[in-house]
Amino acid sequence: EVLLLESGGGLVQPGGSLRVSCAGSGFSFTNYGMSWVRQAPGKGLEWVSGFSGSGAGTYYGDSVKGRFTISRDNSKNTLYLQMNSLRVEDTAVYYCAKEKFTGGAWDAFDVWGQGTMVTVSS
Amino acid sequence: DIQMTQSPSSLSASVGDRVTITCRASQSISSNLNWYQQKPGKAPKVLIYFASSLQSGVPSRFSGSESGTDFTLTISGLQPEDFATYYCQQTYASPLTFGGGTQVEIK
Repeated sequence: EVLLLESGGGLVQPGGSLRVSCAGSGFSFTNYGMSWVRQAPGKGLEWVSGFSGSGAGTYYGDSVKGRFTISRDNSKNTLYLQMNSLRVEDTAVYYCAKEKFTGGAWDAFDVWGQGTMVTVSS
Repeated sequence: DIQMTQSPSSLSASVGDRVTITCRASQSISSNLNWYQQKPGKAPKVLIYFASSLQSGVPSRFSGSESGTDFTLTISGLQPEDFATYYCQQTYASPLTFGGGTQVEIK
């Protein structure tokens, strides 16, 4: 079974930092593009950051560029999101998601984790 | 950035109804449009990818179509388990963007 399991969420003060992780299993982690998607309470989905399937680099949404860093350790089948200079508006459930196809450019997210809650508050 | 305008934002329908949700891209995205279903407290689930391809395991009452920069999700014969929020997403270019969502409620 293909699974993604996020961890590392919690409460952090504005201006603080937090790293969330996503462990993948049941698939060849190295071969797939991976992304982070967040959802603020009662709001819609927002793509945060990702590695495309082509492995051509890392990409970020406008609202997190320069503050968040995505990385992956293929030896541990794990995706990370380092979040710095956190703001109240970063409060959300953070999901990791796997692309449906290997290689190529971006495509649909066919497997999602259960999400981890990040709360930024003083 | 590519803007995805989804409509309506909510709708009320009865079991058995045919439901249509539309998403309009601010520029050409070819067929790089996906549809997701999300139920409260759960992660999204992909229904349709590449505008009209049905994800494995998804009932055939769900279908997708495109016309230029307009994309449509149709549910033919709404079932009780279909009451949820639906999102479109473009995967043509970074930053990837979602539509604002359509909440399908019971009439």
